Amino acid sequence: KAGVTQTPRYLIKTRGQQVTLSCSPISGHRSVSWYQQTPGQGLQFLFEYFSETQRNKGNFPGRFSGRQFSNSRSEMNVSTLELGDSALYLCASSTLTSKDEQFFGPGTRLTVL
Amino acid sequence: GDSVTQMEGPVTLSEEAFLTINCTYTATGYPSLFWYVQYPGEGLQLLLKATKADDKGSNKGFEATYRKETTSFHLEKGSVQVSDSAVYFCALIDGGATNKLIFGTGTLLAVQP
Repeated sequence: KAGVTQTPRYLIKTRGQQVTLSCSPISGHRSVSWYQQTPGQGLQFLFEYFSETQRNKGNFPGRFSGRQFSNSRSEMNVSTLELGDSALYLCASSTLTSKDEQFFGPGTRLTVL
Repeated sequence: GDSVTQMEGPVTLSEEAFLTINCTYTATGYPSLFWYVQYPGEGLQLLLKATKADDKGSNKGFEATYRKETTSFHLEKGSVQVSDSAVYFCALIDGGATNKLIFGTGTLLAVQP
């Protein structure tokens, strides 16, 4: 069974630009969550999608948005990039319940110059 | 709000030493508790979990027991190997209709031969 895939793996952008990251969950998983990992703030929850609906949202500004498609693939978008958005963005997929294991992808490393 | 506190690292041990990484939590409900491990350049992998009080999670020689009375979920291993060198994250999900993981800050473990 293929794992969670994230594309691209690495991105370099400049301040003010926007970026779209993609996540393909494990086949059959309908829940996709996104996390931001930085040395200063650690792992922080961005949002969670289930069956194309946002179920939960973290404490991030409106520049961060996401969506989920009918095949459960998810994208997140960051507009008007700031230097502080440089981070590893991790996607996790799971089935339905919160007690199930969440499987993480390798992440997308975003660098904002 | 819910939170997880884990011991500061780095933790440096010699091979075959005993490992303990402390983790305590604050939650309003009855959370499920997890330990995740992150190897260099990779995403997170679930190491073990416990979903109710007094449950013991175990995997690959690692163990942790859900202690409701002390709100703790300490990670232990009797004999560490060089290959255990990684960052370890304690995390919780506070039940309900969400897969939102709340993470501790992570503890870097370095095992020397």
